[in-house]
Amino acid sequence: LAKTTQPISMDSYEGQEVNITCSHNNIATNDYITWYQQFPSQGPRFIIQGYKTKVTNEVASLFIPADRKSSTLSLPRVSLSDTAVYYCLVGAYFYGNNRLAFGKGNQVVVIP
Amino acid sequence: DGGITQSPKYLFRKEGQNVTLSCEQNLNHDAMYWYRQDPGQGLRLIYYSQIVNDFQKGDIAEGYSVSREKKESFPLTVTSAQKNPTAFYLCASSGTAFYYGYTFGSGTRLTVV
Repeated sequence: LAKTTQPISMDSYEGQEVNITCSHNNIATNDYITWYQQFPSQGPRFIIQGYKTKVTNEVASLFIPADRKSSTLSLPRVSLSDTAVYYCLVGAYFYGNNRLAFGKGNQVVVIP
Repeated sequence: DGGITQSPKYLFRKEGQNVTLSCEQNLNHDAMYWYRQDPGQGLRLIYYSQIVNDFQKGDIAEGYSVSREKKESFPLTVTSAQKNPTAFYLCASSGTAFYYGYTFGSGTRLTVV
């Protein structure tokens, strides 16, 4: 399993853009990069997934450089409700081996 | 709507008792997983199952048991052998390709009293 490294926590003011980085130096060719969001006492929620370059959806953008050894989740104009833990995961499916390793994630606190 | 249902939401167990946490999905996903989360920590994998009647130990399987008799169901039993069972338990499922992502249930909070 590719290991990921994220900052433990970060604060941001409401209305700002938040960029959360993740390092995954030993990412494999078949691996995808996926980000999840978790609120207290809830299960993680899928945010976005990508393989290379840039992916954008209605919630966030994901930037992946050419070497794929890191990725950046960008949350535009955050609100107080974006306060959550954000997990970066790297992995791929092979028959009999579809398991994800969650680190401690990045606690993002949005300040009024 | 498709999703994963975990029950109960809160569970209290006396020391020495076994308890079973329910997880049901109607997403037609082949793979299902159980994770444990302690306060301020990430998720740790307990057991996972890729197919009916087959399951594999995760990183912290000691003191837990599972069954997968139906595709839709993956119950977790916390046995008396689990020395520190108080935690938040999450069930998840996924399709047969990683890029489908995981869908999580809303969790069960187990407390030993």
